[in-house]
Amino acid sequence: AQSVTQLDSQVPVFEEAPVELRCNYSSSVSVYLFWYVQYPNQGLQLLLKYLSGSTLVKGINGFEAEFNKSQTSFHLRKPSVHISDTAEYFCAVTLIQGAQKLVFGQGTRLTINP
Amino acid sequence: NAGVMQNPRHLVRRRGQEARLRCSPMKGHSHVYWYRQLPEEGLKFMVYLQKENIIDESGMPKERFSAEFPKEGPSILRIQQVVRGDSAAYFCASSPRGETTDTQYFGPGTRLTVL
Repeated sequence: AQSVTQLDSQVPVFEEAPVELRCNYSSSVSVYLFWYVQYPNQGLQLLLKYLSGSTLVKGINGFEAEFNKSQTSFHLRKPSVHISDTAEYFCAVTLIQGAQKLVFGQGTRLTINP
Repeated sequence: NAGVMQNPRHLVRRRGQEARLRCSPMKGHSHVYWYRQLPEEGLKFMVYLQKENIIDESGMPKERFSAEFPKEGPSILRIQQVVRGDSAAYFCASSPRGETTDTQYFGPGTRLTVL
């Protein structure tokens, strides 16, 4: 079975500061990795995904993530955050082969302070 | 270009009543997934359907919960005899081909409150 651990439940940062949201996963087989963002009272929106190739993936809104197979990590980063980045962020995996169901982490609430 | 539609957005039920949640996938998508988000938790997979078929229901509670995706019309998640523990946000997602490389597009969710 797969599992995803987001190491920080809440991350407060100041506007224009850099941020890193951590994600580790556990799986005995290869997986694809995703980051989704959930704004208050809305559904989830895909930020970026890693399928293959370059381990540094660029997504929307200036976010990027790096896949590290040896550390089974997929941390999300942004060099300078804005107030509008305040949201819940979810890391997720799915099996490369098999049913396309996403396994999510518990989420990290990012709060941007002015 | 409408996205995934869910209704109602908010649903209040008393214990013992039935809840019906509807999901219309994005145009051209024939694969639907239901997830449940309990308070302060991540999303948990419930069921994966194609038109007229349940493909994977490994995340569905064994009793009171059922799902369908008929040939015509939206997908329905049905919860019979609701209990307080069913209070959660229920999200529907759709994808075009059901392949693991596909992006799943999520609807805004239905927030169920059981009194």
